[in-house]
Amino acid sequence: ETGVTQTPRHLVMGMTNKKSLKCEQHLGHNAMYWYKQSAKKPLELMFVYNFKEQTENNSVPSRFSPECPNSSHLFLHLHTLQPEDSALYLCASSQGSLAGGIDNEQFFGPGTRLTVL
Amino acid sequence: DAKTTQPPSMDCAEGRAANLPCNHSTISGNEYVYWYRQIHSQGPQYIIHGLKNNETNEMASLIITEDRKSSTLILPHATLRDTAVYYCIVRVAHNAGNNRKLIWGLGTSLAVNP
Repeated sequence: ETGVTQTPRHLVMGMTNKKSLKCEQHLGHNAMYWYKQSAKKPLELMFVYNFKEQTENNSVPSRFSPECPNSSHLFLHLHTLQPEDSALYLCASSQGSLAGGIDNEQFFGPGTRLTVL
Repeated sequence: DAKTTQPPSMDCAEGRAANLPCNHSTISGNEYVYWYRQIHSQGPQYIIHGLKNNETNEMASLIITEDRKSSTLILPHATLRDTAVYYCIVRVAHNAGNNRKLIWGLGTSLAVNP
């Protein structure tokens, strides 16, 4: 596989469920991102990881919990979500840097379409 | 808030050049302009970026005005597969260190017609 993959592509869950979204990149990058894309709203950056360290949490509610076990994998753990959390969740990767800067030429996965009932 | 303004939609005939405008009148001297596009049911795709000079790659050309308050993305020979939402984005510094952040807007929905 090449590029950035995300699983599952579609997910329907109840408000009391616990689920996880998975992202994997095969590009040798060291920075990974979670974005939320809601209808009629701009893309919202949620989390950034650079060399497995979280460098950005954009005031995301604690019902979203990211995990980055290594530079190739990124997870988003979901629990007790609300219907307004229904959206397309996009993962992206780019070149990272131990000096802290990250390349903004980002490569995106196809996203997970999440519906919370 | 987005630092860019784009028309919500545009049409282009297949084979013709598509010129997508973007206003970024509050851009600062060290802020880059990035363009991405998002084809239906896919994630965004990087196209090109620039600071002051015009840029060209295999996908498109980016023309930035001398005062840097606006830019135009040019797809020289649009095809049906270029139908997508095109995002003009300003990259801003947002915390200490080297981190920069892309500020996304709502983009321009380009329809390429046969």
